[in-house]
Parts: sequence; structure tokens; C-alpha cells
Amino acid sequence: GQNIDQPTEMTATEGAIVQINCTYQTSGFNGLFWYQQHAGEAPTFLSYNVLDGLEEKGRFSSFLSRSKGYSYLLLKELQMKDSASYLCAVWRAGSYQLTFGKGTKLSVIP
Amino acid sequence: DGGITQSPKYLFRKEGQNVTLSCEQNLNHDAMYWYRQDPGQGLRLIYYSQIVNDFQKGDIAEGYSVSREKKESFPLTVTSAQKNPTAFYLCASSAGQALSGNTIYFGEGSWLTVV
Repeated sequence: GQNIDQPTEMTATEGAIVQINCTYQTSGFNGLFWYQQHAGEAPTFLSYNVLDGLEEKGRFSSFLSRSKGYSYLLLKELQMKDSASYLCAVWRAGSYQLTFGKGTKLSVIP
Repeated sequence: DGGITQSPKYLFRKEGQNVTLSCEQNLNHDAMYWYRQDPGQGLRLIYYSQIVNDFQKGDIAEGYSVSREKKESFPLTVTSAQKNPTAFYLCASSAGQALSGNTIYFGEGSWLTVV
């Protein structure tokens, strides 16, 4: 089976940096996704990591350590519009099944 | 524009009724999915389809049915057997299975409420 854990809620200040962690246990692994989801809307793709290391994309970066079953999403120069839920999801190798964590609700305050 | 279209956006179901949620994609993706999201919960997989005329149960398939007669269409029927259907339903698609670059893309979602 698969188990994905991430914090339920986080609060950070506008302009600051925040790191959202995700740990996973899975039988077979073929990549980890981060999605952003604003309330009442569909998730939108942020990043994909399949190899260890850091992937940077503008203000957002994502890190993966396969040996530790660990990933984080780093958001820099926070803006109010970054207030959303951030979903960690793992592709199981050789499958069509993407398993999601429960999401981390980030609140950005002035 | 390429994308995934779900309809209706909002749907109300009476007790004992079956309802069908529509999902159409023009991304030429082989794989399509249905997820359910409840408040405070992650997305849970209901059904998925790898190719036309084939589909597989996900983690919470009971009370739901699907069909995949055309590549671009993957409708979901919520039957009266689904005892707690009030939720946000998301349709998604991908070019293929778990390989690098095969990102899953989502439609705008459909809100189903039992009245």
C-alpha cells in the first residue's frame, strides 16, 4: 500500500519563505508530484521529481530524497495569492494510480 | 484550447436517484481518471481507464460506474448504492502511465449534493 503524510496547516508571512514537507511509504515509486489547489477549484500542477535533488521553477522549488521517502516544496517571496492547499502525490511504479496526501493548507498573512 | 471539460459544475441529487457526471478531454490522452474529494481529505481514486473500452476500479469504486466508449469521454455515474455521494468530483487525464513527463491534468470539478 501507500502512505503519504504532510502537515495539515501552515501559516507564513507575505514575502517570507515556507517549506512544506511530505513523507511517503510506497511499494514501488516512479515520481512525486506537487499540486496547488485553491478552495473550490481543481488542482494545478506545480512540479514533478523522479530523481533525487532539487528542481527549481521560479519562486517554487521541490526536493526529493528517494532513500528517505521525503520531499519538500519551497515557496519563496510569498504572496497573498499563494494561500491555497498544496497536495503531495506519488506515482506508483508501473501503474496508472497516483496517490495523494491530504494536503497542506497554507495561509499567507500580511 | 486543449483541456478537460466537466459538466455540470453543480448538481443536486435526490435520494435514490442515479446521476451522471460528464468528462470530455481534447488532449489526446489515453488515460482518464475520476477522483473524489471530501473536506479535509485528499483526493481518492474512484475509477481509471488506460484505454478505450477498458477501465479499472480504484480505491473507492463501490456505488459508482463508468464507461469509456470514446477516447475523449469518461462519464461517471453515481448510483443510488453510493450512500454518501456529497463531494467534489474531479476528472483527470494523462498521456500514459507512471513515466517521466506523464503529468495528470484535472478538469474544473463538479460539486454533487444530495438533497
